[in-house]
Amino acid sequence: NAGVTQTPKFQVLKTGQSMTLQCAQDMNHEYMSWYRQDPGMGLRLIHYSVGAGITDQGEVPNGYNVSRSTTEDFPLRLLSAAPSQTSVYFCASSYGSVYEQYFGPGTRLTVT
Amino acid sequence: AQRVTQPEKLLSVFKGAPVELKCNYSYSGSPELFWYVQYSRQRLQLLLRHISRESIKGFTADLNKGETSFHLKKPFAQEEDSAMYYCALLIQGAQKLVFGQGTRLTINP
Repeated sequence: NAGVTQTPKFQVLKTGQSMTLQCAQDMNHEYMSWYRQDPGMGLRLIHYSVGAGITDQGEVPNGYNVSRSTTEDFPLRLLSAAPSQTSVYFCASSYGSVYEQYFGPGTRLTVT
Repeated sequence: AQRVTQPEKLLSVFKGAPVELKCNYSYSGSPELFWYVQYSRQRLQLLLRHISRESIKGFTADLNKGETSFHLKKPFAQEEDSAMYYCALLIQGAQKLVFGQGTRLTINP
């Protein structure tokens, strides 16, 4: 099992550019989520999904879109990147309990 | 409003000394709380949950509903305990975790 994988590991964007952060898991987990990690702010939930075709907003959803067409994949889209979106992004998944999430290695995004 | 507060961004103690990482919460329902840890160059992982009342790597945490706290404690710190620690609250029925700001623990030799 590869567990939770995220690509890319690092990305630099210019303001206004769009991109998709990829997240995949091979554990057949129904629950998947995206967090951003900022110094002094901890981890904040962006979006989450309880199964294919079902997504919902977290604490800080503005500027981000998600979709869940398969159980395995949960991409995060930045439609028009802003410097405030400079952060480390973590994807996570779990089978039954939300708290028993497996986290990915993270994507470090810088928006200039 | 549901909120988790970790008042210390940084905590530094000497090896062998006791360590306590503070966590306070605000939640109108019945709280279910967790501690997560992120070691250097490793992924974030669950350390312990209050319901299990178990000790993991020598750490314990007791839920105090009166003080709305869930502090993480270890009687004798070890250098390998150096890491980032997050306290988290499960929002029941909403399938969400709310994390605190995190405390970076450094154990000095």
